[in-house]
Amino acid sequence: SQQGEEDPQALSIQEGENATMNCSYKTSINNLQWYRQNSGRGLVHLILIRSNEREKHSGRLRVTLDTSKKSSSLLITASRAADTASYFCATLISSGSARQLTFGSGTQLTVLP
Amino acid sequence: GAGVSQSPRYKVAKRGQDVALRCDPISGHVSLFWYQQALGQGPEFLTYFQNEAQLDKSGLPSDRFFAERPEGSVSTLKIQRTQQEDSAVYLCASSPGWTSGTAYEQYFGPGTRLTVT
Repeated sequence: SQQGEEDPQALSIQEGENATMNCSYKTSINNLQWYRQNSGRGLVHLILIRSNEREKHSGRLRVTLDTSKKSSSLLITASRAADTASYFCATLISSGSARQLTFGSGTQLTVLP
Repeated sequence: GAGVSQSPRYKVAKRGQDVALRCDPISGHVSLFWYQQALGQGPEFLTYFQNEAQLDKSGLPSDRFFAERPEGSVSTLKIQRTQQEDSAVYLCASSPGWTSGTAYEQYFGPGTRLTVT
């Protein structure tokens, strides 16, 4: 079962605009990660934010985490056509021997040139 | 260095056939994961290895699914008597390991797209 839900399911913007995607999850987590998946390809790790962090930056990416609301957001600034992909949030729950990532259903981002 | 590789990239099987999917993790990575991704969905966890030990197989959907990593490197996911509902992309991921208090990102392979006809 999917732990997270991304919002919106699909987003279409013009090149140069900012894109914001949101993720909600259900249980306590160790960390939350964002991944990108281009059509027909594997997932690429973008950024990891730990449960005791509130905000993190990496290049044009900004991630926030609100553990009280069990939500996270991914902001991509100055978007490019090459940013077109599906974006997934994934939560890591460490319990006993479990180390699995639990993914949301993803946001399909289309950046129009 | 080389990333995670998977083979075959595409597999078409007739219902009832057995299939074996291979994953070559990044050299030295202790942890290895298998995920199943249905069309339009996020990946769903199947099983996890730390070295050769299968520590979590809670996501395997039935006893037709079996995974192994006998020497703590290459892993094989085997599906017996394939059914149409097994059609999906099977993703393998590896990570350096786990240190208490430190969590690592996972590095994914390109996946094997399995189609059961």
